[in-house]
Amino acid sequence: GEDVEQSLFLSVREGDSSVINCTYTDSSSTYLYWYKQEPGAGLQLLTYIFSNMDMKQDQRLTVLLNKKDKHLSLRIADTQTGDSAIYFCAERTGGKLIFGQGTELSVKP
Amino acid sequence: EAGVAQSPRYKIIEKRQSVAFWCNPISGHATLYWYQQILGQGPKLLIQFQNNGVVDDSQLPKDRFSAERLKGVDSTLKIQPAKLEDSAVYLCASSPTGGGRYGYTFGSGTRLTVV
Repeated sequence: GEDVEQSLFLSVREGDSSVINCTYTDSSSTYLYWYKQEPGAGLQLLTYIFSNMDMKQDQRLTVLLNKKDKHLSLRIADTQTGDSAIYFCAERTGGKLIFGQGTELSVKP
Repeated sequence: EAGVAQSPRYKIIEKRQSVAFWCNPISGHATLYWYQQILGQGPKLLIQFQNNGVVDDSQLPKDRFSAERLKGVDSTLKIQPAKLEDSAVYLCASSPTGGGRYGYTFGSGTRLTVV
């Protein structure tokens, strides 16, 4: 079935690295995405990874993909208070996006 | 490039009333999606359009929800009659044909409260 799972909460100190984890179910997913949602706002695409890659780096963001375990992670280096938000993992399957329930990242000064 | 436009931003209605939401996707984006996001949950797909045709409406509660995309551009989503459990944020998204590495661009959403 279609199910994307994430842990619900993560708390880190400013300047530390944050790692948000996600598991997905569809091994045929071609793209996997990370979106950020700030309070009262829509979803902002942060980054994506194609299924034939195992890592992608984009400035402070690093995405790791383990296809064997269907595990995706997002690492945010030097986390800032402005990174506080809800982060959603999503898999693209059948031309649509299936989202996890979101991980709320809290960054303490 | 202008983003995905949605209106209204907020709507409060009583149960059993009807409501409509409007979405204008990014120009040239063939694919349009409506998602429902209940508080504390991830967005769930309601309906997907490719141009003005429906690709997937398997999760749309068709007894009360309807959607159309006239001329393959703007779209409206209607709820009639509304129930308390319809309280959620309704997000519209669009993508170019194939989507993929471009991802899907989301609007700011319409927050519906049914009382």
